[in-house]
Amino acid sequence: DAGVTQSPTHLIKTRGQQVTLRCSPKSGHDTVSWYQQALGQGPQFIFQYYEEEERQRGNFPDRFSGHQFPNYSSELNVNALLLGDSALYLCASSLRHQGNQPQHFGDGTRLSIL
Amino acid sequence: AQSVTQLDSQVPVFEEAPVELRCNYSSSVSVYLFWYVQYPNQGLQLLLKYLSGSTLVKGINGFEAEFNKSQTSFHLRKPSVHISDTAEYFCAVRETGNQFYFGTGTSLTVIP
Repeated sequence: DAGVTQSPTHLIKTRGQQVTLRCSPKSGHDTVSWYQQALGQGPQFIFQYYEEEERQRGNFPDRFSGHQFPNYSSELNVNALLLGDSALYLCASSLRHQGNQPQHFGDGTRLSIL
Repeated sequence: AQSVTQLDSQVPVFEEAPVELRCNYSSSVSVYLFWYVQYPNQGLQLLLKYLSGSTLVKGINGFEAEFNKSQTSFHLRKPSVHISDTAEYFCAVRETGNQFYFGTGTSLTVIP
């Protein structure tokens, strides 16, 4: 039973560039959430996708956007990268109608902005 | 919005000693509570969860946590730690929606 998988594991970009991160949820899960974890901090909620629509959003600018595909996989896009976007980006999946169950996390994508 | 406070950013403890990692949350409405562990360069792994029922919940690797509604706390404990427990620990709260709120983490260092 495959868990949550994220790609790539590491990425280096420069300021102003755009990046796309990818996530495949745990088998059987239909909801994907994205988090940003800066060094020494806890994960901060970016947004959540269910049925190919953004359902909830945290306090992140419009430069952060996403998409969910019919197979439940998801992408996180960040435009006009800033130095402060350097972080570990975590994807988590869950089953929406089991609201009391935990999210399952991938190992993350480490994004470094030069 | 929910606020999760982990009172200790770093906790050093000797091997085989007991440890408690503290977590307080802000909301008094019905919540689900979780503890996750993060090893270097990895994602978050679920240690344990409180959904309802008994206020003392047991998790993996000998960890347990106690839910205290009146104090809005969910402290994590282990009676005897091992070197392998050295990691970052995160408390998380989920309200009736699907959004999780995380604390800033506690770095547990087990000293041989």
